Amino acid sequence: SYVLTQPPSVSVAPGKTARITCGGNNIGSKSVHWYQQKPGQAPVMVIYYDSDRPSGIPERVSGSNSGNTATLTISRVEAGDEADYYCQVWDSSSDHPVVFGGGTKLTVL
Amino acid sequence: EVQLEESGGGLIQPGGSLRLSCAASGFSVSRYYMNWVRQAPGKGLEWVSVIYSGVSTHYADSVKGRFTISRDNSKNTVYLQMNSLGAQDTAVYYCARGPEVGGSGSFHLDYWGRGALVTVSS
Repeated sequence: SYVLTQPPSVSVAPGKTARITCGGNNIGSKSVHWYQQKPGQAPVMVIYYDSDRPSGIPERVSGSNSGNTATLTISRVEAGDEADYYCQVWDSSSDHPVVFGGGTKLTVL
Repeated sequence: EVQLEESGGGLIQPGGSLRLSCAASGFSVSRYYMNWVRQAPGKGLEWVSVIYSGVSTHYADSVKGRFTISRDNSKNTVYLQMNSLGAQDTAVYYCARGPEVGGSGSFHLDYWGRGALVTVSS
């Protein structure tokens, strides 16, 4: 089955740029979606189709996808961005087609 | 406004059964891929199951043969019947909406419920 690999943690100072990666075999050929989850809350989709933002998500949140790595980028990081972030793809060749990465804890220093 | 509300969670003994419900409003569950996703304490998200086009279903290997997803279009509700529960099934279970069936888009989960806690313990 398809595997997505994320770093367990990323730390960034306020106002700087955070980059969270999601690795997978030829992931550039798939659509990648990203979710933010704050403690005690349900996940919220922050990026879909690699780089599209749902309404209400600020422009400083962006995504890219190429080769074997997809990246979620958060510019001008704020304290409120501290959360867990998960990438997700659809593996159409699998009987269990929805795949999540292991998640990355973003810490704002 | 799209809303999903889970219910039916609670404390259950090992080997027991439980049925979760996900009541939807603002859209018709019959037109969308409807999913269950769980999160064990302190762990990441784990996709559990999906139902679409009436009878099509898929399950994670960890629950196949023990869990059954279904829906009642008249009640606009999706269910997850969980049997032979073990400690490894302890988690918050989220209901999440996928894409519209027959749409041209890829598979993302755009709306989530607040979750239902299932605790398996003696």
